[in-house]
Amino acid sequence: AQTVTQSQPEMSVQEAETVTLSCTYDTSENNYYLFWYKQPPSRQMILVIRQEAYKQQNATENRFSVNFQKAAKSFSLKISDSQLGDTAMYFCAFRMNYGGSQGNLIFGKGTKLSVKP
Amino acid sequence: NAGVTQTPKFQVLKTGQSMTLQCAQDMNHNSMYWYRQDPGMGLRLIYYSASEGTTDKGEVPNGYNVSRLNKREFSLRLESAAPSQTSVYFCASTDLGLSGNTIYFGEGSWLTVV
Repeated sequence: AQTVTQSQPEMSVQEAETVTLSCTYDTSENNYYLFWYKQPPSRQMILVIRQEAYKQQNATENRFSVNFQKAAKSFSLKISDSQLGDTAMYFCAFRMNYGGSQGNLIFGKGTKLSVKP
Repeated sequence: NAGVTQTPKFQVLKTGQSMTLQCAQDMNHNSMYWYRQDPGMGLRLIYYSASEGTTDKGEVPNGYNVSRLNKREFSLRLESAAPSQTSVYFCASTDLGLSGNTIYFGEGSWLTVV
């Protein structure tokens, strides 16, 4: 069974600085996807970034980038130039590359990020 | 630009009452999911439907039933609500081929059982 571990329950960062959130996962499969979701106080689940396991290049989306280390099964999220609106829970998630329950997202327990002015 | 729509957004139930959470998606997705989120936890899968007419149990199915009414709609029913079912419920959908493997979520339904 796949598992996702986020070892930092809470983190804080000063506005405009850079912060990295950690995520490790465990799987014996080779074809999968990894995601970071943001959940602000409204509880809406917002996709931040996605990484296909077969791609060696790290995904980036504006101020958000990942460090994907497939052999180490590590998938960290870097937020550059942090903004107050980045304050939220961040969930790392894993998904196999096919449908049914095996296409289900497996979530970590989340990291609560606070951006301080 | 509706995406995944859940109703109701908030509900308070008494122990033993029943209710149905409704979910509809307008993205022509085949797969739909119901998750629950509890404090200090990520989302956990209750039930899923890989396609119209099929449903299967996820990680935490006890106390729930589901119906995939058609391709658009996937409802979650609590037959006899218990305080342990107090949670935030999320419906989600995806289609491997069309959406690039992204799962899209509704805005959540806050359920309190007293």
